[in-house]
Amino acid sequence: GAGVSQTPSNKVTEKGKYVELRCDPISGHTALYWYRQSLGQGPEFLIYFQGTGAADDSGLPNDRFFAVRPEGSVSTLKIQRTERGDSAVYLCASARDRAGEAFFGQGTRLTVV
Amino acid sequence: DAKTTQPPSMDCAEGRAANLPCNHSTISGNEYVYWYRQIHSQGPQYIIHGLKNNETNEMASLIITEDRKSSTLILPHATLRDTAVYYCIVRASLGGSNYKLTFGKGTLLTVNP
Repeated sequence: GAGVSQTPSNKVTEKGKYVELRCDPISGHTALYWYRQSLGQGPEFLIYFQGTGAADDSGLPNDRFFAVRPEGSVSTLKIQRTERGDSAVYLCASARDRAGEAFFGQGTRLTVV
Repeated sequence: DAKTTQPPSMDCAEGRAANLPCNHSTISGNEYVYWYRQIHSQGPQYIIHGLKNNETNEMASLIITEDRKSSTLILPHATLRDTAVYYCIVRASLGGSNYKLTFGKGTLLTVNP
């Protein structure tokens, strides 16, 4: 389909390892958001891209988290030295512009063991 | 922090209208009211949004009070597939600053047969 695609759908990693989560937004959407959702909570904002640049990264919890969007389309969320507390569903959303309706992917469930 | 207040849970009989309330007493003049829902194990799904006029689409109706301090999402004929967590969010229009979606805990709507 033409929706937001996230891969992998599930990722299990060992504590201390590095992981990359990928988001393919809807074609032509310039705005891209990353969220994190813990069990029983609403999604928590991490970072927002407008085009290639990170316009707002105020939600990233610490410097182990980093995200890129080098060509203004696909984005990768990178987590270094993973901790068990990083276990969550990571959601990506895209919008035609920063005020347009955001369409979410199905998320990547990350489990750190 | 989320700028909205919603009841944690509600029940509705299948085929009846579901009316989900939301308080947003600190909403600014340039902020829209957005509604999303999240069905179990899926990403959030856009439903509807409005500024001050009532809005209707194929999914739902949105009623915003004249003072804009509260709103109600109406699902006219709820089905079992409408069981989900419903999030009410205030968000700036294009040109504003609060463009990111800030989720609270939402309302868990359970549609009963």
